[in-house]
Amino acid sequence: DAGVIQSPRHEVTEMGQEVTLRCKPISGHDYLFWYRQTMMRGLELLIYFNNNVPIDDSGMPEDRFSAKMPNASFSTLKIQPSEPRDSAVYFCASSFANYGYTFGSGTRLTVV
Amino acid sequence: GENVEQHPSTLSVQEGDSAVIKCTYSDSASNYFPWYKQELGKRPQLIIDIRSNVGEKKDQRIAVTLNKTAKHFSLHITETQPEDSAVYFCAAINQAGTALIFGKGTTLSVSS
Repeated sequence: DAGVIQSPRHEVTEMGQEVTLRCKPISGHDYLFWYRQTMMRGLELLIYFNNNVPIDDSGMPEDRFSAKMPNASFSTLKIQPSEPRDSAVYFCASSFANYGYTFGSGTRLTVV
Repeated sequence: GENVEQHPSTLSVQEGDSAVIKCTYSDSASNYFPWYKQELGKRPQLIIDIRSNVGEKKDQRIAVTLNKTAKHFSLHITETQPEDSAVYFCAAINQAGTALIFGKGTTLSVSS
């Protein structure tokens, strides 16, 4: 298995632009999670899905953030418009049930 | 919601010494407690986990202990090696039972 695949690995964008991060979970996993990592706040849960359905989006910082999971093999996290304070590493993770989360390699986002 | 506190934030040891990292959690219903290791620029990777029906689990040089009464759990690394240098995160399942909440991390440095 190729593991959890995220793209792009790095993204540099100008303030105000739309950013879309992508994730392909491990086949057979029924949970998908989006986390954001910064030095100040550590690993923050943004949103998670179970069987493609969003379960808890209370961690999404603002309405500028949205996430979708149109099918079991693909999810996106969109920021529109982006701001410099959104700069962070965004991780996608998947799991079967509650256990053994596998993280993707992350997307390092820089908003200038 | 669940809150996970992790201490210390940094830890420096000499090669061969033991290292202990401690975490406390707030939700008494939490029942799954994994530990992740993150090397610089890499993804978090699961190194050991424990469920609430056991008090201790070992895997070679690492062990985790759980005290449900006091709501704390600890990671123990014996005979530390330079390659153990990384950031270690503890986590617990949140109230909904389906998304990990992470501690802020401990940066472990092992000097030879």
